[in-house]
Amino acid sequence: GAGVSQSPSNKVTEKGKDVELRCDPISGHTALYWYRQSLGQGLEFLIYFQGNSAPDKSGLPSDRFSAERTGGSVSTLTIQRTQQEDSAVYLCASSPYRGRGYTFGSGTRLTVV
Amino acid sequence: DQQVKQNSPSLSVQEGRISILNCDYTNSMFDYFLWYKKYPAEGPTFLISISSIKDKNEDGRFTVFLNKSAKHLSLHIVPSQPGDSAVYFCAAQSGGGTASKLTFGTGTRLQVTL
Repeated sequence: GAGVSQSPSNKVTEKGKDVELRCDPISGHTALYWYRQSLGQGLEFLIYFQGNSAPDKSGLPSDRFSAERTGGSVSTLTIQRTQQEDSAVYLCASSPYRGRGYTFGSGTRLTVV
Repeated sequence: DQQVKQNSPSLSVQEGRISILNCDYTNSMFDYFLWYKKYPAEGPTFLISISSIKDKNEDGRFTVFLNKSAKHLSLHIVPSQPGDSAVYFCAAQSGGGTASKLTFGTGTRLQVTL
């Protein structure tokens, strides 16, 4: 696609429920990243996929968070047993293998009530 | 451990004047630096970048300066316009040209007043 597409744009869920957030990167981009921005905070790195290499999961805050990338394209970020502190805007970005910086999607605003 | 720091959470500047946003970093492995601009309810958009082999990069009204010895960079916007009002994030990257994660600062909210 022309840009990075994320869905849903907004998600309200009850505490304790699982949620899945989807990211469709720019076609041909081998690298895909997930970040989140909590209220009043900066951009916190979560996880990074590069081609067929093992993902860099060093930013995932707990084992309730996981992500996969199928076929080197679409990625899903899953949060199990959501907590109120998970409320944030979750941003996905992609970049080519050789390149600097990345293109972000518009994000998914997650609210846990 | 905040490797990229933006110590000013907000800045207010009059239209037509210069805006200067500052950023400091601690990791000497960073070799590329970027500025992103973010409007509410939108993802960050790339603004300007600079390689560590340079000390200045200019693009229209936007100039980024890098002082490697001080581990400091700044973004100058001149003249500032009301449409520049947004949150600006400084980011740093290592990796020598291949894709790698960006480390972001906490952002500076710029308000350009009439």
